[in-house]
Amino acid sequence: GAGVSQSPRYKVAKRGQDVALRCDPISGHVSLFWYQQALGQGPEFLTYFQNEAQLDKSGLPSDRFFAERPEGSVSTLKIQRTQQEDSAVYLCASSLLDRNSNQPQHFGDGTRLSIL
Amino acid sequence: AQTVTQSQPEMSVQEAETVTLSCTYDTSESDYYLFWYKQPPSRQMILVIRQEAYKQQNATENRFSVNFQKAAKSFSLKISDSQLGDAAMYFCAYRIRPVAVTGTASKLTFGTGTRLQVTL
Repeated sequence: GAGVSQSPRYKVAKRGQDVALRCDPISGHVSLFWYQQALGQGPEFLTYFQNEAQLDKSGLPSDRFFAERPEGSVSTLKIQRTQQEDSAVYLCASSLLDRNSNQPQHFGDGTRLSIL
Repeated sequence: AQTVTQSQPEMSVQEAETVTLSCTYDTSESDYYLFWYKQPPSRQMILVIRQEAYKQQNATENRFSVNFQKAAKSFSLKISDSQLGDAAMYFCAYRIRPVAVTGTASKLTFGTGTRLQVTL
């Protein structure tokens, strides 16, 4: 595709519900990142995939957060038993194969998640 | 751990004037990249400019230039001839550059951002 596509653009859920956020990276982009951006803050790293392999999940805040990329393309970020502090914008970024952290990351428009 | 600090929550500039946004960072790494990203209300993070720490020459991209002071760990962004379309949140970011090819990529670490207003 022309750019990184994220859906839904907005998601409202009640506390305790499970949510799934989708990221469709640029075609051919092997590296995929998820970031969480709380209101008034900069994005914070959650997790990183290279193809289908999740190579770094050190930023996931709890075991309620789970990400997958089963076929090395589309990725889903799942949050179970949502809590109010999960309210944030979730940004996805992709890049070409990046063996040396040299490739620019291309960001999507994000999903704004609001937990009531 | 690496940290990025932006001490100016908001800045304002008149159209056609010049403005400088400040950023400092803390790292024990010897080689890294520094970035400025722009985030308009659409939320998409757009890369404005990038600097390799091993390069002494300051990066420039049209109206955008940086003042990179490695010893002081300072990385400011200068926007010349400001335009209404420059109004946005600006984030300074850092990324480790591995010494050897590691087969993996490093994350971006962002500051808290500076909101830039452009007035007529």
